[in-house]
Amino acid sequence: DAGITQSPRHKVTETGTPVTLRCHQTENHRYMYWYRQDPGHGLRLIHYSYGVKDTDKGEVSDGYSVSRSKTEDFLLTLESATSSQTSVYFCATQGPGQRGSGANVLTFGAGSRLTVL
Amino acid sequence: AQKITQTQPGMFVQEKEAVTLDCTYDTSDPSYGLFWYKQPSSGEMIFLIYQGSYDQQNATEGRYSLNFQKARKSANLVISASQLGDSAMYFCAMREGYSGGGADGLTFGKGTHLIIQP
Repeated sequence: DAGITQSPRHKVTETGTPVTLRCHQTENHRYMYWYRQDPGHGLRLIHYSYGVKDTDKGEVSDGYSVSRSKTEDFLLTLESATSSQTSVYFCATQGPGQRGSGANVLTFGAGSRLTVL
Repeated sequence: AQKITQTQPGMFVQEKEAVTLDCTYDTSDPSYGLFWYKQPSSGEMIFLIYQGSYDQQNATEGRYSLNFQKARKSANLVISASQLGDSAMYFCAMREGYSGGGADGLTFGKGTHLIIQP
């Protein structure tokens, strides 16, 4: 499995404060992703990166920005957190499929639970 | 319109029975890939199985198989001989375009919460 570390794992913050979530991978995978998971919505893509300094928006990018200055690190920033951004955030990388599946699968970090009061 | 539809929010199944989790998808791209993930109560996302749109045979992986019906745009996950440890959320997901990879992420369904009863 890709070594993916998310930090912090849990955070409680107040409305209007900036928040940065970090994703660190040790597998040298080119593609990285940030998803949010909310009950009744599954996982929704926020932003993704296809290389250092190369990023693009996903389905729910409003209120979020990302940066990738090194292959191994992908940062998600909430410039001014709102209660609607209370969620579990997952980072993922794309790498070779397991067991010869023939596809590049997404491997996920453990998630970061963010509560905005 | 939803690209991935999972119509069963929750299911209760007796241990050792087979389980079918439904997934339908919507795409006009001839090349796509379909994935299933498991999320136990601990929260991690675990990849289970993959089916490419051009694959001639249904994918199998141990007790998991994917019932791929291309004309119906259906990709149901079948779990044979269910176990208590199969209790989890299950997500169907799709990648459009080059099914094997590419920068675009996966589009997920809303999930099915499966509970295996002893």
